[in-house]
Amino acid sequence: DQQVKQNSPSLSVQEGRISILNCDYTNSMFDYFLWYKKYPAEGPTFLISISSIKDKNEDGRFTVFLNKSAKHLSLHIVPSQPGDSAVYFCAARDNYGQNFVFGPGTRLSVLP
Amino acid sequence: DAGVIQSPRHEVTEMGQEVTLRCKPISGHNSLFWYRQTMMRGLELLIYFNNNVPIDDSGMPEDRFSAKMPNASFSTLKIQPSEPRDSAVYFCASSLGGTGTAFFGQGTRLTVV
Repeated sequence: DQQVKQNSPSLSVQEGRISILNCDYTNSMFDYFLWYKKYPAEGPTFLISISSIKDKNEDGRFTVFLNKSAKHLSLHIVPSQPGDSAVYFCAARDNYGQNFVFGPGTRLSVLP
Repeated sequence: DAGVIQSPRHEVTEMGQEVTLRCKPISGHNSLFWYRQTMMRGLELLIYFNNNVPIDDSGMPEDRFSAKMPNASFSTLKIQPSEPRDSAVYFCASSLGGTGTAFFGQGTRLTVV
């Protein structure tokens, strides 16, 4: 039973346009959400996070939106750059433990 | 800080052999996680430790897998005996409990032939 879902295995976007990556979760006890980026042959690197008490967090070109009622979050990248091409993982943590549950990832390709 | 350090980066072994993966977490972090990445299952948690104590090992696939954390700066993941289906990339991550962000090592790519 997948608690964190990323229903789009892949996404292609033109350079300069907006990339929107989506993530859904089922566990209402999750209180902290993160996005990681992963290049081939490297470990996932932390990108941006959001606490459940917020609905938006912005860091440069990256913005994460959280809709708690829909149990949905999204990562917006504006403008998209070829260097953003990677696999993006959504992750969540519940307020009891310190475990991080990851989604299956979305492969983003930014085309020049 | 050098970040989370894993060794080896690559391991090729024959079926039936023992394999030991190693991890050095970020200094001061008190939570350590072992993940396995496969094409089919993505990033799945195998086990995590808090203050060197195993908290949840429900992700460990079989008794062939074991993990230890003898001190705050070192952890091992052992597979004995190894099987071809164990081939995957194994990641170690650490975090400072309560701050919410896990930092990953570069991973160990294990190939069992």
